[in-house]
Amino acid sequence: DGGITQSPKYLFRKEGQNVTLSCEQNLNHDAMYWYRQDPGQGLRLIYYSQIVNDFQKGDIAEGYSVSREKKESFPLTVTSAQKNPTAFYLCATARVFGANVLTFGAGSRLTVL
Amino acid sequence: QKEVEQNSGPLSVPEGAIASLNCTYSDRGSQSFFWYRQYSGKSPELIMFIYSNGDKEDGRFTAQLNKASQYVSLLIRDSQPSDSATYLCAVGAGNNNDMRFGAGTRLTVKP
Repeated sequence: DGGITQSPKYLFRKEGQNVTLSCEQNLNHDAMYWYRQDPGQGLRLIYYSQIVNDFQKGDIAEGYSVSREKKESFPLTVTSAQKNPTAFYLCATARVFGANVLTFGAGSRLTVL
Repeated sequence: QKEVEQNSGPLSVPEGAIASLNCTYSDRGSQSFFWYRQYSGKSPELIMFIYSNGDKEDGRFTAQLNKASQYVSLLIRDSQPSDSATYLCAVGAGNNNDMRFGAGTRLTVKP
């Protein structure tokens, strides 16, 4: 069953804590992306990775970090430096970078208590 | 000015009617255009993409693109209650074909 697996689906965090959101794909796609969605706003790009061991900042990278050690995995860490982390986080992949057809994971909803 | 603009709605249509969703974009160099459907609490799923001026039909869905007017629309014929969702317009632009998303239009189809 090919697809993108995001975990956890729901996550609660206390202020000052770092949390890591997992994104795993078995689609053999080269490009992976992390988006953030807030109510009434479009998806905003946090980070993207074109290939293994490479990643670039998106529009709102401050307070976030990523790694791409394996083609299948692109975890996102929300650090304590992110001032307003409560949001719906979406991981997406594309066959190759620049191929705009994105496939999305089910999302992770982070709430800061 | 927002890069991709959509009317947030809600747009309400009766079952069986045509729903018309509109999107404008600011980057004249944009090359690719997408419509995603997002049910509440779920992730977006691709409905259609269009690259060339004109109409593209897929079942009950028709995407329309007018690059001169920087306008893309989605028509849903014979709307069903199951079409009730938020529809996101996305535009690929720039050197990296960066995807820019609109905030979405919420559609409600009433039985």
